[in-house]
Amino acid sequence: EDQVTQSPEALRLQEGESSSLNCSYTVSGLRGLFWYRQDPGKGPEFLFTLYSAGEEKEKERLKATLTKKESFLHITAPKPEDSATYLCAVQADYQLIWGAGTKLIIKP
Amino acid sequence: NAGVTQTPKFRILKIGQSMTLQCAQDMNHNYMYWYRQDPGMGLKLIYYSVGAGITDKGEVPNGYNVSRSTTEDFPLRLELAAPSQTSVYFCASSYSTGNGNTIYFGEGSWLTVV
Repeated sequence: EDQVTQSPEALRLQEGESSSLNCSYTVSGLRGLFWYRQDPGKGPEFLFTLYSAGEEKEKERLKATLTKKESFLHITAPKPEDSATYLCAVQADYQLIWGAGTKLIIKP
Repeated sequence: NAGVTQTPKFRILKIGQSMTLQCAQDMNHNYMYWYRQDPGMGLKLIYYSVGAGITDKGEVPNGYNVSRSTTEDFPLRLELAAPSQTSVYFCASSYSTGNGNTIYFGEGSWLTVV
């Protein structure tokens, strides 16, 4: 069965304290792995798409990496405005399978 | 900069009532989707449409109906509301479902059934 698991469920960091969020997946025929950011009371906002193992993408303090079984979202020197829920989704066939998300809180 | 627009933002329904969540997109996307998001769960696909006049069921279609008469609009109908339908509903759209095609989301509609 196709499945996406994100860990941890929640993560509290001090401003400037770097860390990583994990997205593990089991899917036959990965066609893309997506990272989204979701602020409270808002819809998910697209961050990255990764297609194949070894691929990396960066945006400001965020870097996403992909292996054959998992993806990491690395956050370097985070700021309070990086606080949000980060969602991971994998595309198998023509539909997306979503993880439950990691709630990230950055304390000043 | 409208993107995907959903209305209403909040709604309280009584058990057994019906209502329609409206969704419109101005990006000329072919594909549109309705998801529900429950606490601690991933987004679940309710229905999707690949173009005007074509709709199909997702993972959790029971209790819902959709129509797609135009490229822009994709309303979601709740018939005989039940407490299990209390959730946050997101409409989304994309150009296609090709590899890695980006999905854009609306702001969400919070529905409570009491």
